[in-house]
Amino acid sequence: SAVISQKPSRDICQRGTSLTIQCQVDSQVTMMFWYRQQPGQSLTLIATANQGSEATYESGFVIDKFPISRPNLTFSTLTVSNMSPEDSSIYLCSGTSGGNEQFFGPGTRLTVL
Amino acid sequence: AQSVTQLGSHVSVSEGALVLLRCNYSSSVPPYLFWYVQYPNQGLQLLLKYTTGATLVKGINGFEAEFKKSETSFHLTKPSAHMSDAAEYFCAVSRALSGSARQLTFGSGTQLTVLP
Repeated sequence: SAVISQKPSRDICQRGTSLTIQCQVDSQVTMMFWYRQQPGQSLTLIATANQGSEATYESGFVIDKFPISRPNLTFSTLTVSNMSPEDSSIYLCSGTSGGNEQFFGPGTRLTVL
Repeated sequence: AQSVTQLGSHVSVSEGALVLLRCNYSSSVPPYLFWYVQYPNQGLQLLLKYTTGATLVKGINGFEAEFKKSETSFHLTKPSAHMSDAAEYFCAVSRALSGSARQLTFGSGTQLTVLP
C-alpha cells in the first residue's frame, strides 16, 4: 500500500486569493486523483493527473480554476485559484499504482472567508 | 455510465447489534465495488473490495459485503457493532481508465452512529 500526505492540513484564506495544496506519496503511483468533498457531502472527482501530461478534468471543473501539476510519479499539486466562499471544502488526493485500489491522503480542509 | 446509491444517509445501531449499510450500483460492465470508511478529520480508508471471484468479501475490522448481481447490490455488514465503528461509510464503483488504472464514483455516504 501507499502512504499519502498532504500539505497544508487546513487553511483559512481570503476570497480572491489562491492556495496550492501539495500531495506526496511514499512510493511511485501511475495515476493521481484530486477530489472535493463539500461539507456533509460525498467526494466529487475534480481531475485525474498523469505524469508528463495535462490533467484530465471532470465536467464542471476547469484548468483555470484548478490548475494541477504532476512533475513526477510521487508528487502532485492542486491550486484553488481566485477563491470564493463556495470553494470551502475538503480537498483530497489519491493515488493508484494501476491496481484496483486507490490510496487516499488525509485531506486539506479549506475555509474561504 | 456508472452510479452508486446508498440508502440511508444516517444509520444508528446499538453497540453489539448488527450493522447493515445498503449500497446499490448501476454499471454497464461488470463492476468493481468498494467500501471506504472515513473517520472524523481523516482521509478515506479501504474496508473491502470486490473485483471478481467470490461474491462474499471480507474486509478489515470484521466487516464483510456480498456482491449480488441480480439485485445490483453490495451491502456492507458487521455482526456486532463497536463504538469505534462510528464513522462515515462510502460505497464506490470503479470504471477502467487507460491501461489498468480505474476511476472511482462514490455514493453519497452513510453516517453510522453507534449507541451505548
